[in-house]
Amino acid sequence: EVHLVQSGAEVKKPGESLRISCKGSGYTFTNYWIGWVRQVPGKGLEWMGIIYPGQSDITYSPSFQGLVTISADKSINTAYLQWSSLKASDTAIYYCARHVRDDFSLNYYFQYWGQGTQVTVSS
Amino acid sequence: QTVVTQEPSFSVSPGGTVTLTCGLSSGSVSTAYHPSWYQQTPGQAPRTLIYSTNSRSSGVPARFSGSILGNKAALTITGAQADDESDYYCVLYMGSGIWVFGGGTKLTVL
Repeated sequence: EVHLVQSGAEVKKPGESLRISCKGSGYTFTNYWIGWVRQVPGKGLEWMGIIYPGQSDITYSPSFQGLVTISADKSINTAYLQWSSLKASDTAIYYCARHVRDDFSLNYYFQYWGQGTQVTVSS
Repeated sequence: QTVVTQEPSFSVSPGGTVTLTCGLSSGSVSTAYHPSWYQQTPGQAPRTLIYSTNSRSSGVPARFSGSILGNKAALTITGAQADDESDYYCVLYMGSGIWVFGGGTKLTVL
């Protein structure tokens, strides 16, 4: 059974750095894209970007390019979302999701979801 | 900037049928955008309902169906139940590894 388990809630101050994680299990981690979705309090879902852990191929949403860093450590089946300098506007719940991006079957969607990580940035 | 549009809110009576739509600010939605649909209840992670326009994800009841209606993608709930009251999001695949969410529709069952 596929599971994506995310790291716990974080409370940070503006300007601090942060890395949150998403550990995959129940499947071959390097064979699937994994990505991140943001949900600001009371707002909708926003797609941030994806990584293919097998090759560290990364694509960012233009809206998030340069604002966050997506990475993965395939040795421990874990994907990361990282900020170098947090802002109050980064306060949100962040979900990881295993993506299907299959040019052969022409399936492109989010198949499994993590439970979400609450990030609060406040002085 | 591509904007994916959804109705902000919709209501349906228990047992009724409702169709939520997903459009583009410029242009038409077709199967080439591989529309998918997600359900989210407050405090929960999203749940995958429909992918590739009309394929139901594992475990999703048959009352949920997807289609293309005119120039939009559509999610139809037939025989709505109380626990279908949720936020519904469509997502379009733009190609080159880029996805875009719609703004979501808050569905009320009353």
